[in-house]
Amino acid sequence: AQSVAQPEDQVNVAEGNPLTVKCTYSVSGNPYLFWYVQYPNRGLQFLLKYITGDNLVKGSYGFEAEFNKSQTSFHLKKPSALVSDSALYFCAVRDKLSGSARQLTFGSGTQLTVLP
Amino acid sequence: DVKVTQSSRYLVKRTGEKVFLECVQDMDHENMFWYRQDPGLGLRLIYFSYDVKMKEKGDIPEGYSVSREKKERFSLILESASTNQTSMYLCASSFLVGLSSYNEQFFGPGTRLTVL
Repeated sequence: AQSVAQPEDQVNVAEGNPLTVKCTYSVSGNPYLFWYVQYPNRGLQFLLKYITGDNLVKGSYGFEAEFNKSQTSFHLKKPSALVSDSALYFCAVRDKLSGSARQLTFGSGTQLTVLP
Repeated sequence: DVKVTQSSRYLVKRTGEKVFLECVQDMDHENMFWYRQDPGLGLRLIYFSYDVKMKEKGDIPEGYSVSREKKERFSLILESASTNQTSMYLCASSFLVGLSSYNEQFFGPGTRLTVL
């Protein structure tokens, strides 16, 4: 079985400050990990993914995420937050051992608010 | 750019009505997915399809069915709508899963369905 947890429903940060949105996962084997962002009344947009290799993954809009196998985490980060980063963020995981196309499990989402 | 379109942004139906939600993608993706999104629950997979006329149940298939007669089109059907099916419905598509990678899903804008 695979699961993902986003422990914070809401994160507030001041514009210009660094931001972190947390994600932890649980899989039987090794994970594929994803971050998506959802702006109001829109579908989800892909930000970045970890498949293999370098633990630090860089994605769209200046975001990056660090894969930490020992802590089973994949936190999303950005060095300097913008008001326009305010949105709902989803972490998702797939177990590499899974043989089916369906096996992408999403977290419950974290609402990020960047305050001017 | 990948484009996933959904037939309606907003839909209001009455209890007991048959409801069709349509999704079309233009990138020749093999996989297509239907999710529902509810606050605090994240995205939950209803059904997915990895080929024409092929379908597999997701985590919450009860009360739903799907149809995929053409590669680019994936329909979600509510046979007899109920108030607990009021939700945001998201369609997604992706290339077929490879052995050493996993391809991100591309999402449509969503259909907000209200069942009265």
